[in-house]
Formats: sequence, structure tokens, C-alpha cells
Amino acid sequence: NAGVTQTPKFQVLKTGQSMTLQCAQDMNHNSMYWYRQDPGMGLRLIYYSASEGTTDKGEVPNGYNVSRLNKREFSLRLESAAPSQTSVYFCASSTQGGNQPQHFGDGTRLSIL
Amino acid sequence: GENVEQHPSTLSVQEGDSAVIKCTYSDSASNYFPWYKQELGKRPQLIIDIRSNVGEKKDQRIAVTLNKTAKHFSLHITETQPEDSAVYFCAADLGGGSEKLVFGKGTKLTVNP
Repeated sequence: NAGVTQTPKFQVLKTGQSMTLQCAQDMNHNSMYWYRQDPGMGLRLIYYSASEGTTDKGEVPNGYNVSRLNKREFSLRLESAAPSQTSVYFCASSTQGGNQPQHFGDGTRLSIL
Repeated sequence: GENVEQHPSTLSVQEGDSAVIKCTYSDSASNYFPWYKQELGKRPQLIIDIRSNVGEKKDQRIAVTLNKTAKHFSLHITETQPEDSAVYFCAADLGGGSEKLVFGKGTKLTVNP
């Protein structure tokens, strides 16, 4: 039981390049999330998915797209990377319904030059 | 929207002392308040959570208190140990059964041996 798995762990991009961050969970959770973590800013929600085929914007969605192709997988895409998107990206999942703990992956450290 | 303020941003204590971290939130509809611990370079991990129908919850050396009237909640760690050193984040849901969380900016706790 791996929990939440993110790939890649590290990535360096040039400005304008595109990139997809992958996330998969094996806990049979319905809800999945993408966060970014910047120094001194805590965790900020980018996008959220309550179930397969549904997505919803979070606090900081601009510059990102997401896909929830099936129950296990939730991907985050940067179409044209910008230096301001340099961050650590965390994927999380939880059982459906409010008031449920979110379980995080190990993160992807992304640098954009 | 919901705003979560967390204080202090840094906290240094001697081993064996207690540590208290406080958070305030703005949305009276919030019902779920988790606390996460993040060690350097690691994923955030849930350490304790509290729901609005409870005023206090305890798990060994960790306790959380909630004052819904004043809209604040606190994390208490007793008999601190060096392995408690980490960044701690509080969070609050958006209320109404929402699965989205808003996080505080974190408190870096250092426990000196």
C-alpha cells in the first residue's frame, strides 16, 4: 500500500516549456487535490477533484490545468511554465465528504529557469 | 473567503517544555480543523484534527482546543522532544461540507536538547 505517489520527484524546466506532474493513489479515495508550497506561504490549493471527471478551482489556479482520468490518477499540467511557478507541488487525497483527513504524497520539486 | 492566521511563525523551546501554536479563522461556517507536521524535505502528515462539535481532543502529548465563538483553535504539545522539531500547519475547511482546506502559513518549532 503505497498511499499517494507523485512523479517526478524533481524537475528543472525552461520558461515556456510544458510539463505534466503525475499523481496516483491506491487508497480508493474519491477526492484528490493539488497544492503548491512556497517559502513562508503555507500550502495553497491549486485544483481539486471530488470524483472522476470532475474538477474545481482552488485559490491559485491560473497557469495550470488538471485531468482526473480515473479514480486513482489526478494530473497537473503547466502549459507554458513561468519562473513564478517554481515551487514544491503536493498531491493529496481523501475519502469523500467534508471533515476528512487529507493524505499527501512526497511532493515534486519544480524549478523553472 | 476563508482566511487562516497562524502564530507564532517561529517558536523555540527547551526539551521538556510545552509548546503552543495558535490559529484564527474568519469563516464561522468552518467545521473541520486539522493540524499537519512537516519535517524538512518531507510530506505534511496529519497529527491531529478536531471537528466543530468538540471543544478539545487529546492524543498522548498532543492536544487541540477549539473556541468556535472566538473562531480560534490551538495546538498544544507537552513534554517536547527534539523529534518534535518541524514546521506545523493548521487548516480550516470552507464550511458547508466542503472538502477544500485553507492552510495557515506555518510555525517552525525548534526543540533544543
